[in-house]
Amino acid sequence: DIQMTQSPSSLSASVGDRVTITCRASQSISRYLNWYQQKAGKAPKLLIYAASSLQSGVPSRFSGSGSGTDFTLTISSLQPEDFATYYCQQSYSTPPAFGQGTRLEIK
Amino acid sequence: EVQLVESGGGLVQPGRSLRLSCAASGFTFDDYAMHWVRQAPGKGLEWVSGISGNSGSVAYADSVKGRFTISRDNAKNSLYLQMNSLRAEDTALYYCAKDIRWQQHNPAFDCWGQGTLVTVSS
Repeated sequence: DIQMTQSPSSLSASVGDRVTITCRASQSISRYLNWYQQKAGKAPKLLIYAASSLQSGVPSRFSGSGSGTDFTLTISSLQPEDFATYYCQQSYSTPPAFGQGTRLEIK
Repeated sequence: EVQLVESGGGLVQPGRSLRLSCAASGFTFDDYAMHWVRQAPGKGLEWVSGISGNSGSVAYADSVKGRFTISRDNAKNSLYLQMNSLRAEDTALYYCAKDIRWQQHNPAFDCWGQGTLVTVSS
């Protein structure tokens, strides 16, 4: 099975900051990588699919990049509503594993 | 508006069974694969099972293979998860999730329900 590792596990940042979260796969997954945002007590929300495609309705301050084993999610200018937990998920092979999550907190 | 509503969760003893349901609306149900994803209290996300639009392809996590069965009824716009031989480690919030594609092989989950809580305890 493919393992997904996110870094950092937690991150403190301020409104307006540029933030980058990294996700690494244990083997090459081409561009089969998705990103989700989960707020406390809520279901996850798809942000990015196929490594860099922005899901409909998601603000353009969110972007994704990478291929092979290394991927990044970037938030260009943090907004108050962006403080949440972020998960990557590989869709290259079954089982479609998630990373352990990155908790983004207000500094 | 796309909507997924799970039901069927509850408190169950180890070794017993439970059947979860997910009612879908707002999209052409049989055009998309569907999945179950769970989240143990305070933990991360774990994919459980997926099924293609015509039920021709199904897959399971190793942790539930042989105990859980996914199914769908396209006439009723409904997804199901039959859970047998439940264990304490199956305790989690179970989400129904819609795929962006018809096949379940390369999933991205673009719509989620609110979840139904399953607690396995004596």
